[in-house]
Amino acid sequence: GDSVTQMEGPVTLSEEAFLTINCTYTATGYPSLFWYVQYPGEGLQLLLKATKADDKGSNKGFEATYRKETTSFHLEKGSVQVSDSAVYFCALNSGAGSYQLTFGKGTKLSVIP
Amino acid sequence: DTAVSQTPKYLVTQMGNDKSIKCEQNLGHDTMYWYKQDSKKFLKIMFSYNNKELIINETVPNRFSPKSPDKAHLNLHINSLELGDSAVYFCASSQDESGHKETQYFGPGTRLLVL
Repeated sequence: GDSVTQMEGPVTLSEEAFLTINCTYTATGYPSLFWYVQYPGEGLQLLLKATKADDKGSNKGFEATYRKETTSFHLEKGSVQVSDSAVYFCALNSGAGSYQLTFGKGTKLSVIP
Repeated sequence: DTAVSQTPKYLVTQMGNDKSIKCEQNLGHDTMYWYKQDSKKFLKIMFSYNNKELIINETVPNRFSPKSPDKAHLNLHINSLELGDSAVYFCASSQDESGHKETQYFGPGTRLLVL
């Protein structure tokens, strides 16, 4: 079945540091890939997505590239801010008759001034 | 206006009680979902539902039942609540475009605590 593996957290970075959160997946068919973010005490918000190989999703300075050859969708940001502190979830939708999102376990990011 | 809303935001109740969580979306989407987020933040699908079919995750106890009065609402009813049901429950919705499973939009969550 479908699965998503994210790097274990928590991750603690200083403000303006470079961020990478690794995400790899296994899926049937040609999945769409997503990053969702959950700020403390809030629901999930879509951060970015990519629907086919080599697509790059980007939003709010975050980027992730759909790599079919390595089955990866790593999240990156060049300079994190304190306001980026949240839990980040990688997810996929295999689209092959499936309605559900399969999530990774989430990576908690804390950015300190 | 909130796209996907849930009520209540917090729910504290005793074991054995029956409770419902309501979800409404004003996006005109045709598919709605319920997810459960445990204490370790792990998210797992419980149900997906559109006007054609209900898909149930086989690991969900039959004490949980989704009820959809119309396309914009998918409520979650829970019978005989147990301690292990304590979690955050998220509703979501999406629009299926020509077989492509589009982005899901999530509600703010309902934090359920069973005592």
